[in-house]
Amino acid sequence: SQQGEEDPQALSIQEGENATMNCSYKTSINNLQWYRQNSGRGLVHLILIRSNEREKHSGRLRVTLDTSKKSSSLLITASRAADTASYFCATVGSNAGNMLTFGGGTRLMVKP
Amino acid sequence: EPEVTQTPSHQVTQMGQEVILRCVPISNHLYFYWYRQILGQKVEFLVSFYNNEISEKSEIFDDQFSVERPDGSNFTLKIRSTKLEDSAMYFCASSTLDRAVQPQHFGDGTRLSIL
Repeated sequence: SQQGEEDPQALSIQEGENATMNCSYKTSINNLQWYRQNSGRGLVHLILIRSNEREKHSGRLRVTLDTSKKSSSLLITASRAADTASYFCATVGSNAGNMLTFGGGTRLMVKP
Repeated sequence: EPEVTQTPSHQVTQMGQEVILRCVPISNHLYFYWYRQILGQKVEFLVSFYNNEISEKSEIFDDQFSVERPDGSNFTLKIRSTKLEDSAMYFCASSTLDRAVQPQHFGDGTRLSIL
């Protein structure tokens, strides 16, 4: 698989439930970021976790990072219909440079 | 909150024609980027730009592509002779200098359709 692969590719849940999305990557990283994309729109930055951090919270979002397994997870608690979107993880490599390498994304549908 | 703006939102061009996509990054940002997303595929990095020169580019960013910061606010992507496979969403992004802690902020994109 390529750098920044998410699973599942699609997730459908009821409003109020929690949604967990996972991301795996291959090379060493400086940081990992999660972005959200509504259909036909741009990417909205959600949260950034540095390689020396293990967990980060922002509102209803919780991100974990396991550099030994080269994986990250995004948890959205108490989901809402408005959370329906695609979610992407993206990594910045530990070598020089700022380019983001994106995964294929998870399409989340939250049913009211 | 300041945001990255892109124009036009949709561009339709005949194959072989030149196209220029425009972006206004966030004013105090120093790094600028272009990415593209072909329909149904991953977002792919094209190029980053810092201090008036290209700092990184991908294999996609061949001689058909160029970037420019013609003044203090605009950042443009030019495709010299468009091909059908250039049809995609093109996203501009910007960030501050400290890559370890600062995210990239994206515009809403330009949908480029090559006929």
